[in-house]
Amino acid sequence: AQSVAQPEDQVNVAEGNPLTVKCTYSVSGNPYLFWYVQYPNRGLQFLLKYITGDNLVKGSYGFEAEFNKSQTSFHLKKPSALVSDSALYFCAVREAANDYKLSFGAGTTVTVRA
Amino acid sequence: NAGVTQTPKFQVLKTGQSMTLQCAQDMNHEYMSWYRQDPGMGLRLIHYSVGAGITDQGEVPNGYNVSRSTTEDFPLRLLSAAPSQTSVYFCASSLAGAINEQFFGPGTRLTVL
Repeated sequence: AQSVAQPEDQVNVAEGNPLTVKCTYSVSGNPYLFWYVQYPNRGLQFLLKYITGDNLVKGSYGFEAEFNKSQTSFHLKKPSALVSDSALYFCAVREAANDYKLSFGAGTTVTVRA
Repeated sequence: NAGVTQTPKFQVLKTGQSMTLQCAQDMNHEYMSWYRQDPGMGLRLIHYSVGAGITDQGEVPNGYNVSRSTTEDFPLRLLSAAPSQTSVYFCASSLAGAINEQFFGPGTRLTVL
């Protein structure tokens, strides 16, 4: 069975500092990994994904994520956080052979203080 | 394009009542799905469809029915509402294929008294 863990319920950083949101996954085959962001009272928005190839993936709003197969991780990063990055972030995994079912982590609330 | 739309935005039901949550997309996506979001639990898949006429159960299907008569629409029916179904419900759609990201609707906040 596939699963995702986001070990931190909350991440607090100062504006301008680096932001990291952690994600580890478990699948029996090759993973397809996704990050989504949810702003208050809104639906989820897609940020980036890892399918294959380069382990460093760049996405929307200056975010990037690094796929690490040996550590089964897919941490989301931003070099310089903005107050507007404050939101709920979800990591999700889909086993390549599974084709459709997407498993989400519990989410990490990011607060960026001015 | 309107993307993925959901109605209503808010709904209050009494235990035992039934209702249908509507979902529509105008992107000609083959895949559609319904999730519920509960605090600290992320999103859990209720039902999904890989095309018109084809539906399947997700992680938490009990108490919910779906149908997919057209590519555009994917309604979720609560047969007999229970307080445990109080949640925020999201509909999502995507192109066919595991590599494709999902597009989410704005959600329906449901309270069952």
